[in-house]
Amino acid sequence: DGGITQSPKYLFRKEGQNVTLSCEQNLNHDAMYWYRQDPGQGLRLIYYSQIVNDFQKGDIAEGYSVSREKKESFPLTVTSAQKNPTAFYLCASSFSGRGEKLFFGSGTQLSVL
Amino acid sequence: GENVEQHPSTLSVQEGDSAVIKCTYSDSASNYFPWYKQELGKRPQLIIDIRSNVGEKKDQRIAVTLNKTAKHFSLHITETQPEDSAVYFCAASYNQGGKLIFGQGTELSVKP
Repeated sequence: DGGITQSPKYLFRKEGQNVTLSCEQNLNHDAMYWYRQDPGQGLRLIYYSQIVNDFQKGDIAEGYSVSREKKESFPLTVTSAQKNPTAFYLCASSFSGRGEKLFFGSGTQLSVL
Repeated sequence: GENVEQHPSTLSVQEGDSAVIKCTYSDSASNYFPWYKQELGKRPQLIIDIRSNVGEKKDQRIAVTLNKTAKHFSLHITETQPEDSAVYFCAASYNQGGKLIFGQGTELSVKP
């Protein structure tokens, strides 16, 4: 996957359940991002991290949580507080923390059972 | 607030024609404007980007123009080909570049 790997490719969530989406990169990039993609709404920023052990909320952070304990990893947890989690989730990374030249993973499709 | 508006949402052209997609942004402090192409079932990929100190940038059949005063920028594709068919997203940087906000996307269809 060209240096950034998302898993799983498909994920199903039961009501009231928390699920975690994995994102790993071996590009030595400082910054990592999570976007949610819904039809007709483009890419909406959930969380971003410009450096290890630091992250900021994006526009639609409610119902999601992240951690950035390692440079290579930026997992996203979709909590039960997120009432409409069905979407395609894209993780991305960039060399700098300035949002330049993002490299995207192949995405995770999350659906609710 | 931080926003990027993109138009049109769909665009259909004949092969060989030109295509233009336009975006506006809300924060005059934004200084980086990339364009991404997402083919069906694939990840978005960067195709061209421009910084605020440049008015125009070209790469073969693709060009981007920036009007800082009006806070809008455009993607121009000349001599379109069927393989140009995809969804195109513009974006603008906010929060000193740490935050990249995308437009809603334009689905381009190039008919042979």
